[in-house]
Amino acid sequence: QLQLQESGPGLVKPSETLSLTCSVSGGSISSSGYWWGWIRQPPGKGLEWIGSFYYSGNTYYSPSLKSRVAISVDMSKNQFSLKLSSVTAADTAVYYCARTRITISGNWFDPWGQGTLVTVSS
Amino acid sequence: QSVLTQPPSVSGAPGQRVTISCTGSSSNFGAGYDAHWYQQLPGTAPKLLIYANTNRPSGVPDRFSGSKSGTSASLAITGLQAEDEADYYCQSYDSSLNVLFGGGTKLTVL
Repeated sequence: QLQLQESGPGLVKPSETLSLTCSVSGGSISSSGYWWGWIRQPPGKGLEWIGSFYYSGNTYYSPSLKSRVAISVDMSKNQFSLKLSSVTAADTAVYYCARTRITISGNWFDPWGQGTLVTVSS
Repeated sequence: QSVLTQPPSVSGAPGQRVTISCTGSSSNFGAGYDAHWYQQLPGTAPKLLIYANTNRPSGVPDRFSGSKSGTSASLAITGLQAEDEADYYCQSYDSSLNVLFGGGTKLTVL
């Protein structure tokens, strides 16, 4: 059974870079037909897509975060990572990683990791 | 403000039927992109409930059903149970390959 687990610092200072890793078990990041993505949820608010990638190199980011986001992959460790630069309090959220199934008419996320809370504060 | 519009809250008594709407536009649903739905129980990660408009993943009860027509999509829950109390999110896509989420709907079981 595919499982995803987010990890990284729970506290980041304003203006610094948030770094998270998603470890995938029970399946390979290079599985054909699947993308992988990051989604976040500020406390008490809704879901916001951050970005998605395919193991071969295609990457797409949310237009609102594109200038600050980078997603990378480490195939040898079956992990992928998120970096969000110049963070502010507005970036405080639970960050989720998820597998993405892509079809010609869209995509969906399944399964999701349990999520990790990142607080931006000095 | 989300591109996909959902009612902030809905409620129903046990055993009743409730529907949650998700209104999009010609750039997403109207362009032929699918609707997907997630259930988020308190304190947990979202879980896929409906994919590609009408399909239920294995393990999701058939009390949950989805539909899409034109620029809108709907999630219906029949035989409402206390355990269905959760937040529900719709999700789609646009032609710029952006993933879109609705603002979420809180379902209260009275």
